[in-house]
Amino acid sequence: KNEVEQSPQNLTAQEGEFITINCSYSVGISALHWLQQHPGGGIVSLFMLSSGKKKHGRLIATINIQEKHSSLHITASHPRDSAVYICAVRSGETSGSRLTFGEGTQLTVNP
Amino acid sequence: NAGVTQTPKFQVLKTGQSMTLQCAQDMNHEYMSWYRQDPGMGLRLIHYSVGAGITDQGEVPNGYNVSRSTTEDFPLRLLSAAPSQTSVYFCASSYGRWNTEAFFGQGTRLTVV
Repeated sequence: KNEVEQSPQNLTAQEGEFITINCSYSVGISALHWLQQHPGGGIVSLFMLSSGKKKHGRLIATINIQEKHSSLHITASHPRDSAVYICAVRSGETSGSRLTFGEGTQLTVNP
Repeated sequence: NAGVTQTPKFQVLKTGQSMTLQCAQDMNHEYMSWYRQDPGMGLRLIHYSVGAGITDQGEVPNGYNVSRSTTEDFPLRLLSAAPSQTSVYFCASSYGRWNTEAFFGQGTRLTVV
C-alpha cells in the first residue's frame, strides 16, 4: 500500500462544476502539499498546509490530521483547471524529510 | 527572479552514454533535491542536499551521482545511461527541510535508447 493515496485517479467535469480531489496518507507528517502539473509543463505548488484550511481564489485545501486526510476543492471549475493534481507529504519519519508523492489525479474540465 | 532552472528540457541518450542534468536556483535555498517521474508512479526521490557540500541518497539513487559545490547549483549525473533511466526528471528546492514551500524546475524528459 502506498504511503500516499489519491482518489480519484481520473476526473472529468463540466465547466462550472464543483470538484473534490482526495488524499489519504499513512505516516506522520509535518506538512502536506498540493501541486499542479500541466501537460508538458513543470510542477507548481498550490498549497502547503499542516492544519485547517487554506483558500486561494477558487481553490480550497483542507486537512484533517487525526483522520490523515486532505481534500482539494475547485469551485466553478474552468477548462484551464485541466491538469494533474498531486498530493505530497513531508514526513519527519523518513530520512532527509523527503516529500512522498501520490500518483496524481488527472482532471479534465470540458467547456 | 528565475526560481529553479533546469536544463536541458529534452534529451535522448544512447545506452552507456553519460550526461549531466543541470539545476540552478536563485532563491538562496538550502534544500535541493532530484526526483524522477514515471507513469503510474508518484515522483520518487533520487538524491538530495541540505546545503553546500552535503548530499545524501534518496529512494532510487543507483546509477546517479550528485554534488553540491555551491548553494545555487545541484547537478545530477548519469554515469552510464540505461533504458530504465528513461523518465522525466525534476529538480526542486526549498528554503528549509520541513514546513516550507517547494519550488520545482520545468522538468527534463530523458529517453535512453
